Amino acid sequence: DAKTTQPPSMDCAEGRAANLPCNHSTISGNEYVYWYRQIHSQGPQYIIHGLKNNETNEMASLIITEDRKSSTLILPHATLRDTAVYYCIVSAGGKLIFGQGTELSVKP
Amino acid sequence: DTEVTQTPKHLVMGMTNKKSLKCEQHMGHRAMYWYKQKAKKPPELMFVYSYEKLSINESVPSRFSPECPNSSLLNLHLHALQPEDSALYLCASSQLLAGQHGYTFGSGTRLTVV
Repeated sequence: DAKTTQPPSMDCAEGRAANLPCNHSTISGNEYVYWYRQIHSQGPQYIIHGLKNNETNEMASLIITEDRKSSTLILPHATLRDTAVYYCIVSAGGKLIFGQGTELSVKP
Repeated sequence: DTEVTQTPKHLVMGMTNKKSLKCEQHMGHRAMYWYKQKAKKPPELMFVYSYEKLSINESVPSRFSPECPNSSLLNLHLHALQPEDSALYLCASSQLLAGQHGYTFGSGTRLTVV
């Protein structure tokens, strides 16, 4: 499975959009991009995933570059409850391998 | 039912004890996983089960013994653990091993080995 690189931490003002970047330059054609988040001491929560096209659901949007070497998770209107560690994972299935993630702090 | 249920939520055990962690899902998922998470670290994959058969063992010590008695249940049997095995143990499930499905995680069992 391809490796991902994320900034270790980010801040975002409450009510503003949070844009979390992820680099996955060694991604292969059959690998999906997944985003999960983990609020302190809870199990990881699925947010969104995609293969090539941009995706949107009730939680977030996922923008994947045309060459698929990077992606951005967008939380359109961040709230204090969005404070968590966000993991970008690339996988073709079989197993999810977590990297270090980005610790997002949403501030009032 | 869209949840993965893990029991117990907290467990304290001695190094000579034998205990088991339990994971249950009723979503019809045919792949199930065990992860271990130390404080301030990301989850680490331990085992993968597909159709009740062990498909991946990430070189986990034999004091951890997984079992999948049926498609809804996953157990992790613990024996002769060390204090460094203290961690949050997470269970997850997914529809298939293929990449197009998301994984559902339980809330974990907080294990302390004394």
